[in-house]
Amino acid sequence: TQLLEQSPQFLSIQEGENLTVYCNSSSVFSSLQWYRQEPGEGPVLLVTVVTGGEVKKLKRLTFQFGDARKDSSLHITAAQPGDTGLYLCAGARGSGTYKYIFGTGTRLKVLA
Amino acid sequence: NAGVMQNPRHLVRRRGQEARLRCSPMKGHSHVYWYRQLPEEGLKFMVYLQKENIIDESGMPKERFSAEFPKEGPSILRIQQVVRGDSAAYFCASSRGGREDEQYFGPGTRLTVT
Repeated sequence: TQLLEQSPQFLSIQEGENLTVYCNSSSVFSSLQWYRQEPGEGPVLLVTVVTGGEVKKLKRLTFQFGDARKDSSLHITAAQPGDTGLYLCAGARGSGTYKYIFGTGTRLKVLA
Repeated sequence: NAGVMQNPRHLVRRRGQEARLRCSPMKGHSHVYWYRQLPEEGLKFMVYLQKENIIDESGMPKERFSAEFPKEGPSILRIQQVVRGDSAAYFCASSRGGREDEQYFGPGTRLTVT
């Protein structure tokens, strides 16, 4: 059972376009992390969201945690080739949980 | 300002051999987690350790796999009598505290079993 579904699985866009990646679940998470992973490397933490409805911005990236803490979105404005990579969401369930449940990822390619 | 370090980065083993994967957590971090990423699959939790203690190994296969985090030195993930299905990327993450602390990942060890 995949608890965290990410969509789309693959996305190829032109430089300068905007995009949104979704991370959905029927379960409630106490916190949710977004990572970016490049080929041959480990996931790099981008952001952690913990409060329902929370919005965090990281330069051109905007992260939102759903009000019910079951879903999250990542919006990228004016995508650049450097944004290319695998975007992973990971959720921690219940209070004090360290076992991250990872989504299957969205593979983004930004073309120059 | 070293991050999580893992070695080797690539490891090739023949079926039946042993694989030892090492992980040094970030400075100031005393909690270590191991995850496995199979081709075209997401990362799956394997084990959570603190110094000299295994806190949760619920994601570890019951046979052939073991992990330790000694008082001195890196954490070790050990796979005995490797089989082809063990081929995967193994990632270590560390955190400052335990529960609800952000986890930072190393670059991974890519194990290939021939």
